[in-house]
Amino acid sequence: NAGVTQTPKFQVLKTGQSMTLQCAQDMNHNSMYWYRQDPGMGLRLIYYSASEGTTDKGEVPNGYNVSRLNKREFSLRLESAAPSQTSVYFCASSEGQGYGGEQYFGPGTRLTVT
Amino acid sequence: AQSVTQLGSHVSVSEGALVLLRCNYSSSVPPYLFWYVQYPNQGLQLLLKYTSAATLVKGINGFEAEFKKSETSFHLTKPSAHMSDAAEYFCAVESGGSNYKLTFGKGTLLTVNP
Repeated sequence: NAGVTQTPKFQVLKTGQSMTLQCAQDMNHNSMYWYRQDPGMGLRLIYYSASEGTTDKGEVPNGYNVSRLNKREFSLRLESAAPSQTSVYFCASSEGQGYGGEQYFGPGTRLTVT
Repeated sequence: AQSVTQLGSHVSVSEGALVLLRCNYSSSVPPYLFWYVQYPNQGLQLLLKYTSAATLVKGINGFEAEFKKSETSFHLTKPSAHMSDAAEYFCAVESGGSNYKLTFGKGTLLTVNP
């Protein structure tokens, strides 16, 4: 099993450009998450999908949109990138069948917006 | 609302010394608590978790943590540090009604000196 995969690994955008970060999991998990990691800030939740067909905002959703394409895939879109969105983005998944479940993380996408 | 405070953004120890990373949480309902570790340029992986069974939880790589309700703490310890323990450590809380969302602390970078 590959676990959680993310593409691309690195990306450089100019201000105003758009892009979609892709995430897929092969563990048949119900819940999926997008986080951003900034130095000294820990991980902050952008959006999550508790189950297929549902999405909801996390702590820092402004400037982002998401799509739960199917049970496996959860994409994050930046419509008009800003320098403040320079960050490392992590996708994660969990069974979502009860509390206390482990979240499994992808390797991350390092995004720079100039 | 739930929150996590990690005391000390950077902890430095000598190889063979005790490792103590501090985590305090706030939750209005009994929490589930996690420690995750992040090695350089990688995603996060679960070190250990507390889910209301035993208050002393053992994890991978010789780490353990003790849940103390009266102190609202979940400190991470390891008796003898190894060079390979150098990484960033994140404490996280999940509580009922959070829809399986984790709230992370800001992280503690552990340096191990030879």
